[in-house]
Amino acid sequence: NAGVTQTPKFRILKIGQSMTLQCTQDMNHNYMYWYRQDPGMGLKLIYYSVGAGITDKGEVPNGYNVSRSTTEDFPLRLELAAPSQTSVYFCASSQTRADTQYFGPGTRLTVL
Amino acid sequence: QKEVEQDPGPLSVPEGAIVSLNCTYSNSAFQYFMWYRQYSRKGPELLMYTYSSGNKEDGRFTAQVDKSSKYISLFIRDSQPSDSATYLCAMTTNDYKLSFGAGTTVTVRA
Repeated sequence: NAGVTQTPKFRILKIGQSMTLQCTQDMNHNYMYWYRQDPGMGLKLIYYSVGAGITDKGEVPNGYNVSRSTTEDFPLRLELAAPSQTSVYFCASSQTRADTQYFGPGTRLTVL
Repeated sequence: QKEVEQDPGPLSVPEGAIVSLNCTYSNSAFQYFMWYRQYSRKGPELLMYTYSSGNKEDGRFTAQVDKSSKYISLFIRDSQPSDSATYLCAMTTNDYKLSFGAGTTVTVRA
């Protein structure tokens, strides 16, 4: 049981490039989340999903897109990378909305 | 004003000391309160989960919630070097959107 896995661990992008951050969970959780963590700012919710085919915006969705075609996977897409998107990105999942959220190890992204 | 305020520290204590961490919040609708521990370059992991005002104890950890003052605390007794981490408070209303504090970095010196 691997829990929540994220790839890649690190990435450097040039301004304007695009990429997809991968997130997979093997706990059969319905709810999945993407957060970004900036120094001194705590975690901010980017997007979330309550099940396959259902996604919605969080607090800071601009510049990102998501999809949820299966229960296990919840990829986050950056279409035109900007320096403001330099951050650490965490994916999380939970069984129900009130349950514990389990976090992945994170992806460190730098946009230059 | 941030919805959740947490002093980022850093906090440095000798081994065996009591670590005291706290957060204040402005949204009176928050009902569920959590403390997450985050080791360097790792994802957060849930440490304590409380609902409503009062105390909850789990081993060396005690979480306190005072909803009338909009104030929550985490105490770590007999602190160990392995407790060195960043501690994040988090809270939510009746939905699944967590509001996090900025995190307090704690170092326990051997």
